Amino acid sequence: DAGVIQSPRHEVTEMGQEVTLRCKPISGHNSLFWYRQTMMRGLELLIYFNNNVPIDDSGMPEDRFSAKMPNASFSTLKIQPSEPRDSAVYFCASSFSHGTGSYNEQFFGPGTRLTVL
Amino acid sequence: AQSVSQHNHHVILSEAASLELGCNYSYGGTVNLFWYVQYPGQHLQLLLKYFSGDPLVKGIKGFEAEFIKSKFSFNLRKPSVQWSDTAEYFCAVTMNSGGYQKVTFGTGTKLQVIP
Repeated sequence: DAGVIQSPRHEVTEMGQEVTLRCKPISGHNSLFWYRQTMMRGLELLIYFNNNVPIDDSGMPEDRFSAKMPNASFSTLKIQPSEPRDSAVYFCASSFSHGTGSYNEQFFGPGTRLTVL
Repeated sequence: AQSVSQHNHHVILSEAASLELGCNYSYGGTVNLFWYVQYPGQHLQLLLKYFSGDPLVKGIKGFEAEFIKSKFSFNLRKPSVQWSDTAEYFCAVTMNSGGYQKVTFGTGTKLQVIP
């Protein structure tokens, strides 16, 4: 398996523009996570999907952020409009959850480095 | 609310020194515990994990961690660090919340190993 795939790897955009980050989880995994990492705030969980359904979006900073998972092999994180303070590395991770049993480790993608000017 | 504490934010060691990074969590139920490592410019990778059984867990690259339930701790150790261990280390705790997993990461500890 190629692992978790994210695109683009780097994105530079201007304030006010729409940004869409993409993620392809590992085949067979049923949980998908979006994280944001900055020097100031560290690693933050933005949203978590299980079987394509958003379970916990309490980490989404504000209405400018939205995430979708239309099928088991694809998810997007959209920022509209983008602001300079959104500049960060955005990681997608996937894992397999055994229902109420053990929760396996997360496999992280390479991340998207977003710079909003 | 569940929380994970990593009290050491930045650790500097010389090569061959011993390492212990603290991780404490607050949750009274069953947990799964993880340590991840993030090398400079890279993504997080799993170092080791604990689900059940022997509380002393061995991971990759000579790392180990001990789960002490009474202390709600899962400290990471390595007897002799190398320059290549320079990285950021994250403790993570996963627990059942309403039938779904709730994962909480610590704030991370930056380890700098001096040759």
